[in-house]
Amino acid sequence: AQSVTQPDIHITVSEGASLELRCNYSYGATPYLFWYVQSPGQGLQLLLKYFSGDTLVQGIKGFEAEFKRSQSSFNLRKPSVHWSDAAEYFCAVGASNTGNQFYFGTGTSLTVIP
Amino acid sequence: EAEVAQSPRYKITEKSQAVAFWCDPISGHATLYWYRQILGQGPELLVQFQDESVVDDSQLPKDRFSAERLKGVDSTLKIQPAELGDSAMYLCASSQRVSSYNEQFFGPGTRLTVL
Repeated sequence: AQSVTQPDIHITVSEGASLELRCNYSYGATPYLFWYVQSPGQGLQLLLKYFSGDTLVQGIKGFEAEFKRSQSSFNLRKPSVHWSDAAEYFCAVGASNTGNQFYFGTGTSLTVIP
Repeated sequence: EAEVAQSPRYKITEKSQAVAFWCDPISGHATLYWYRQILGQGPELLVQFQDESVVDDSQLPKDRFSAERLKGVDSTLKIQPAELGDSAMYLCASSQRVSSYNEQFFGPGTRLTVL
């Protein structure tokens, strides 16, 4: 069965510091992977997505993620965090054999210290 | 920029009452999803439509929840009767068609509180 694990429930970083949010997936076929961000009380906004090809993908707001098949991981990174990046981040896997059903992780809450 | 619209944004109700949520997807998007997001968790799919047909409602508690998309455009999710455990954010999303590499666009959600 498909599943997504985000091991870090909450992360705190200082403004300007680098960030890495972890995501591990379990899926038997080729995964389609996504990172979404959710500000308090809001819907989800897509940061980036991986379907195939280059394993390092660039997204909006200066985020990037690297797909590592050997580690079943799709970690999100940003070299320098801004205070406005404080939000909830969700990793999701799209199951190609179930008609675009997405499976979301439980999320990582990011706090940015000035 | 086209967006997914949802209303109401917030709803407070007492248990055993009926509630309904509305979603208008991005124009031209054939696939519509309803998710439930409990506080501190990721969204979980309740029901998926392709045009006016239900593709997947395996996680929808059918004894109290119903969803429809009569003309294949906007959609309504209903709960009757509401229970305390239904307190959550209800998110609607749409995508161009049923395919795992199609991005899902999310609306702002409806925050439901059941007292």
